[in-house]
Amino acid sequence: DTGVSQNPRHKITKRGQNVTFRCDPISEHNRLYWYRQTLGQGPEFLTYFQNEAQLEKSRLLSDRFSAERPKGSFSTLEIQRTEQGDSAMYLCASSSWTSPVADTQYFGPGTRLTVL
Amino acid sequence: GDSVTQMEGPVTLSEEAFLTINCTYTATGYPSLFWYVQYPGEGLQLLLKATKADDKGSNKGFEATYRKETTSFHLEKGSVQVSDSAVYFCALGKGGGGADGLTFGKGTHLIIQP
Repeated sequence: DTGVSQNPRHKITKRGQNVTFRCDPISEHNRLYWYRQTLGQGPEFLTYFQNEAQLEKSRLLSDRFSAERPKGSFSTLEIQRTEQGDSAMYLCASSSWTSPVADTQYFGPGTRLTVL
Repeated sequence: GDSVTQMEGPVTLSEEAFLTINCTYTATGYPSLFWYVQYPGEGLQLLLKATKADDKGSNKGFEATYRKETTSFHLEKGSVQVSDSAVYFCALGKGGGGADGLTFGKGTHLIIQP
């Protein structure tokens, strides 16, 4: 098991462009999470999936953001009409949720987005 | 809403010193509590966790005890090493099949000098 992987690792784009990030979770993990981390802050929760169903979206996830997990495996996060305020590290995590207590989430290395 | 507060950094210590990084939380219900560590150039890694009151999580010489009465989960290590230099994040998760995104503190940058 190679852990959670994310691509690309770095993305530089111009304001107004669309970007898409991919996350490949640990195989057989049924939950997948997206977070955003800005410099000097802890990660902030954006959304999560259980299998292919998107079960929760944070208020931070504006209409310009959309996430999918079409077959319950990898996930994509798309940002449309990027703004400079979208510059951040986007983290993906996965877990194998099987009990009522909060599960352990395993994080990928992140995709660093810079919007010029 | 839920929140996590941890001590501001950077925290600078000499090798073999005793470490405490304070973490307090605000949450409804009975959250699980976590410490994650981020080494330079690497992703977040789970360091330890506790799922109920009075549980003690431990790993790599680090310990933290879930104190419900003081809503705290302070991280401790008896003798730090240069290799412990990293950013440490305290986090809580609600579980219960509901909203399960983790809520993180801002992180504490730990610097260990030889």
